[in-house]
Amino acid sequence: DIQMTQSPSSLSASVGDRVTITCRASQNIRRYVNWYQQKPGRAPKVLIYAASNLRNGVPSRFSGSGTGTDFTLTISGLQPEDFATYYCQQSYVSLPFTFGQGTKLDIK
Amino acid sequence: QVQLQESGPGLVKPSETLSLTCSVSGDSITTYYWNWIRQSAGKGLEWIGRLRTGESATYNPSLKGRPTMSVDTSNNHLSLKLTSVTAADAAVYYCATSGPQGFDVWGPGTMVTVSS
Repeated sequence: DIQMTQSPSSLSASVGDRVTITCRASQNIRRYVNWYQQKPGRAPKVLIYAASNLRNGVPSRFSGSGTGTDFTLTISGLQPEDFATYYCQQSYVSLPFTFGQGTKLDIK
Repeated sequence: QVQLQESGPGLVKPSETLSLTCSVSGDSITTYYWNWIRQSAGKGLEWIGRLRTGESATYNPSLKGRPTMSVDTSNNHLSLKLTSVTAADAAVYYCATSGPQGFDVWGPGTMVTVSS
């Protein structure tokens, strides 16, 4: 299986801050990474697909980058509604799909 | 826009079979790849398997042959059976569609507790 190692596991930040979350794959997965946001009691919601593509309706303060094994999710100008848990997920051709362990972003 | 709603017994006894249903509305069930994903405090998000009508299902090897997914096209719903459950199978279970934009539509999830 492809392992996705996400860091940090938790992060404290303030409204307006810029934050970066990283995800490292255990092998080259080209650009087959998606990023999700999850709020308590809710299902995850996809924000970024194929490493850097913003899903329709997602604010442009979210961005993704990377290729191969190293990927980042950046939120520029944190808003109160952005405090949540974020997950990376690989969708490379070889199943099973796997997720990172999550990054909990809370208010400083 | 397709909408999903999971349902299930809530409580299952150890060693029994867990049966869950995902009701699909807003589109045909034949349109999508269907997935079951679960989330527990101990193991985070875990993909269980994927199925599309007319294709064989693919399952996570970590579940050692215990899951079975099926699609009922006449009633527009998706099913998951998981045999020989243990406490490690307690989780929130989600159904979700998948495609080029990842897991793009999710149900709200259904919680499963395993206890005698």
